[in-house]
Amino acid sequence: NAGVTQTPKFQVLKTGQSMTLQCAQDMNHEYMSWYRQDPGMGLRLIHYSVGAGITDQGEVPNGYNVSRSTTEDFPLRLLSAAPSQTSVYFCASSYEAGRYEQYFGPGTRLTVT
Amino acid sequence: EDKVVQSPLSLVVHEGDTVTLNCSYEVTNFRSLLWYKQEKKAPTFLFMLTSSGIEKKSGRLSSILDKKELFSILNITATQTGDSAVYLCAAFNAGNNRKLIWGLGTSLAVNP
Repeated sequence: NAGVTQTPKFQVLKTGQSMTLQCAQDMNHEYMSWYRQDPGMGLRLIHYSVGAGITDQGEVPNGYNVSRSTTEDFPLRLLSAAPSQTSVYFCASSYEAGRYEQYFGPGTRLTVT
Repeated sequence: EDKVVQSPLSLVVHEGDTVTLNCSYEVTNFRSLLWYKQEKKAPTFLFMLTSSGIEKKSGRLSSILDKKELFSILNITATQTGDSAVYLCAAFNAGNNRKLIWGLGTSLAVNP
């Protein structure tokens, strides 16, 4: 049981490049979410999903896309990276939203130059 | 607009002290309040509270929720240097947009 896994751990992009941050969980959790964490800003929700095929926007969705084709995977796509997207990104999942704790992945540290 | 406010923002104590961290919330369709500890990595879960007045306890940590006054506290007794971390509080909105609303955290430093 690996829990929530994220790849890569570190990434450096140039402005304008695109990439996908991978997130997977093996706990059959229905609820998955992506956060970014910046100094002084706390955890901010980017996108979330309440089940396969269903996604919705959080508070800072611009510049990011998600899809949820399977229960296990919830990739986050950066369409055209900008320096403002330099951050630490966490993926999290829970069995049922709000009734059970969210488990966090180890995070991806992204730098956009 | 939903919000969660934590206080104090930072705290420095000596080993052995007892600390109380505060979390107030204004969240529509409130379902639960969660506490997490974050060292220099991903947040790790401490407690989930859904009912008023029922204390959750784990070792030297305990937490309680007051749904009438809309706040929760996290107590740490006999603090140790390993308790140094950022403590995050989040409240769950179970409405149409089901999501956790996060506070900014309290940064706790425990000095030997």
